[in-house]
Formats: sequence, C-alpha cells, structure tokens
Amino acid sequence: KNEVEQSPQNLTAQEGEFITINCSYSVGISALHWLQQHPGGGIVSLFMLSSGKKKHGRLIATINIQEKHSSLHITASHPRDSAVYICAVSTGGGADGLTFGKGTHLIIQP
Amino acid sequence: GAGVSQSPSNKVTEKGKDVELRCDPISGHTALYWYRQRLGQGLEFLIYFQGNSAPDKSGLPSDRFSAERTGESVSTLTIQRTQQEDSAVYLCASSTYAEQFFGPGTRLTVL
Repeated sequence: KNEVEQSPQNLTAQEGEFITINCSYSVGISALHWLQQHPGGGIVSLFMLSSGKKKHGRLIATINIQEKHSSLHITASHPRDSAVYICAVSTGGGADGLTFGKGTHLIIQP
Repeated sequence: GAGVSQSPSNKVTEKGKDVELRCDPISGHTALYWYRQRLGQGLEFLIYFQGNSAPDKSGLPSDRFSAERTGESVSTLTIQRTQQEDSAVYLCASSTYAEQFFGPGTRLTVL
C-alpha cells in the first residue's frame, strides 16, 4: 500500500509570500494529484501530473519520479489561497481510486 | 456544465438504521469513485466503478457497505446497520481519464 506523507501539516504565512508544500510517497505511481479543499466547501482538482512540472496561474506543481517527491508552490500568496491542500496518488494507470495524504492546512494572513 | 451532484447534502440517522447516499456523475464520465472523510482525518478510498467492469471494492471498510452503479450513470452507496463510526462526509467523484471531479459530499451523522 502506498504511504503518502505531506509537510508541513500546518502553515501560516503573510500575504505575498512564496509557499511550498511537499509530498512524498513510498511506491511507484502512475499519477500524482494536488487537490484544494476550502473550509465547508468541496474539493477541487488543481493538478494531475506524472512527470516534470505544470503551472496554472500562481500555482506550480513539480514531481520527481526517481525521488518519489512532489512540491506545490504558490507565488504571491493571497488570503483567498487559504485552504487545505491535499496530495493524492494513483497507481493503476491513473484512473483508479486515490490514496491521500493528510493535507496541509494553509492560512495566508493579510 | 453541471458538475457532480450528491444527495442528500446532510443525513442524520439513528444507530442501526440503513442509509442510501446518491451520486450523479458528470455526463459522459465513465469512472466513478466513492471516498469518505471522517472528522479530523484524511480522505479514504471506498469503491471505484469503471464502465461495465467489476467495481474495485478494496476500500470498503466492512460488509455493511455496498454500492451500485447503473451503467455510466447514477450510483448509490448503501450503509446497513449504521454505527457511530460511520459518521463522516461521503464524497463522490467522476472522471473520464484520470483527473477527478468531486461532488459537494453528503455529511452523515449517526446518533
């Protein structure tokens, strides 16, 4: 079974700071997902990646398959980025049930 | 277009009762997933449907849990003889290939 570890568990930063959230996993995967969960809200898929790097607006996700590690970066952070960020992996060709990390609770203060 | 919908949004039941949770996936999505998030804990995979293939039930925590899906449409998750530890938010997601689109969840409270 894949173990997915995220760090940090909690992160408080000031508006404008560069944010990095890390994720490591124990077994080879077919895809890694970054998800965002707002308080009381639903879950939104931010990225799905199996190699390299993806960018969407102020969000950047990278993955190193050899090191079994991924990072999610937020540039010019804003209070609306405050949410729980969840790393999840799939191992069965991508379209199978996900194994999740425990999430990183991010608070961006104005 | 319409996203994944789930009903009810909230369900309060008494211990020992059966409950049914419904998920309407995005039209055309062949894959459908059920997950559970207990208070203060991470998300857990329950079951996965892909087209007409046999579902992957490897995440169901006990034989009190079952799920069905009609073709590539609606799915129902049934929990029989509910226990207090079943209290959680039950999330459904659907996908065409691998990116998953999540519904708003059903918050189940077992008294």
